Amino acid sequence: DAKTTQPNSMESNEEEPVHLPCNHSTISGTDYIHWYRQLPSQGPEYVIHGLTSNVNNRMASLAIAEDRKSSTLILHRATLRDAAVYYCILTAGSYQLTFGKGTKLSVIP
Amino acid sequence: KAGVTQTPRYLIKTRGQQVTLSCSPISGHRSVSWYQQTPGQGLQFLFEYFSETQRNKGNFPGRFSGRQFSNSRSEMNVSTLELGDSALYLCASSLVPGVVDEQYFGPGTRLTVT
Repeated sequence: DAKTTQPNSMESNEEEPVHLPCNHSTISGTDYIHWYRQLPSQGPEYVIHGLTSNVNNRMASLAIAEDRKSSTLILHRATLRDAAVYYCILTAGSYQLTFGKGTKLSVIP
Repeated sequence: KAGVTQTPRYLIKTRGQQVTLSCSPISGHRSVSWYQQTPGQGLQFLFEYFSETQRNKGNFPGRFSGRQFSNSRSEMNVSTLELGDSALYLCASSLVPGVVDEQYFGPGTRLTVT
């Protein structure tokens, strides 16, 4: 399985943008890049996913490097509710999600 | 549209007992997957159902079983409970099988085995 590397933790001030990086240097051509997050005591929550082009939705933006070996999840204005563990995952025809350790995002009021 | 619901939310059982957990997917979703989450092992895949058929199964003993009904609701059962079965059990639904499409998770059932 292609693996991802994320920083263990990051901090952001409330109402400021947050850029969460993910390295996936062994990504295959068919791997989609998914981001999920998990708030304390809750189930994981889908955030966004993409293949090659940058993607935007109401929650976040996903910027994918041209060589696809890295990507960045962008939260445009961090709120306290965004404090969570963020997981970057690669999927290619898989039937299961495999979460790594993720990045624990702390939002400072 | 209502999200994925799981019942019960919390459960305390003793070793040797059995337990049944329920999951109602988002309306229109026919694929349901179950996961076990523990601090030590992280998220581990249990099984995936689509149109009442188990499509994939994770590496768990036969004490763990599941089924899906014609309305896409799913149940999982754990027999002869062990202390190590204490975990958060998560259900995820999606329109189609596999994980390329977004998965919508329920809040989970917190099972404690004493």
